[in-house]
Amino acid sequence: AQSVTQLDSHVSVSEGTPVLLRCNYSSSYSPSLFWYVQHPNKGLQLLLKYTSAATLVKGINGFEAEFKKSETSFHLTKPSAHMSDAAEYFCVVSNAEYGNKLVFGAGTILRVKS
Amino acid sequence: DGGITQSPKYLFRKEGQNVTLSCEQNLNHDAMYWYRQDPGQGLRLIYYSQIVNDFQKGDIAEGYSVSREKKESFPLTVTSAQKNPTAFYLCASSIIRDTRRYYNEQFFGPGTRLTVL
Repeated sequence: AQSVTQLDSHVSVSEGTPVLLRCNYSSSYSPSLFWYVQHPNKGLQLLLKYTSAATLVKGINGFEAEFKKSETSFHLTKPSAHMSDAAEYFCVVSNAEYGNKLVFGAGTILRVKS
Repeated sequence: DGGITQSPKYLFRKEGQNVTLSCEQNLNHDAMYWYRQDPGQGLRLIYYSQIVNDFQKGDIAEGYSVSREKKESFPLTVTSAQKNPTAFYLCASSIIRDTRRYYNEQFFGPGTRLTVL
């Protein structure tokens, strides 16, 4: 079975400070991992994906995530938050052995204060 | 522009009515998906289709129906049997096969917000 736990439902940071959104996963086999972002009343946009080529994955808009198998984690980080980063972020796990179905975390709402 | 379109953006339904949500893609993707999003619950899979004229139930298919008569189109009908249909509905598509085994990201449409009056 597969599951995703996003450890914080809400995160609040000041503009210009680092962002950390935490994600732990459970998967019986080697997973694919993704981070998606959703702005209010919009669809989801892919930020980055882990495809087993490198454990540190760089995405769009300055975001990156590190795959740590020993900790079953895939935390999302950004060195300096921008007001436009305010959105909801979803950590997602998938696996070919489960038909490539996506399993979503509950989401983390990021608030950026000026 | 390539992408996924969903219509309408907002939809209102009276009790006992069936309504159909449209999803069209011009990405030439084989697979299409319907998700339901409720606050604080992430996305849950309703139905998916990997090929024309074939589809499978997801985790919460009760009260919903779909068809896949064309590769580009995957409409979702919310029937009167769905007890709590008010939600944000998202359509997605993806390729099926790629030389990179784990290349299975899904591309999402802008969503339809359904409200039952």
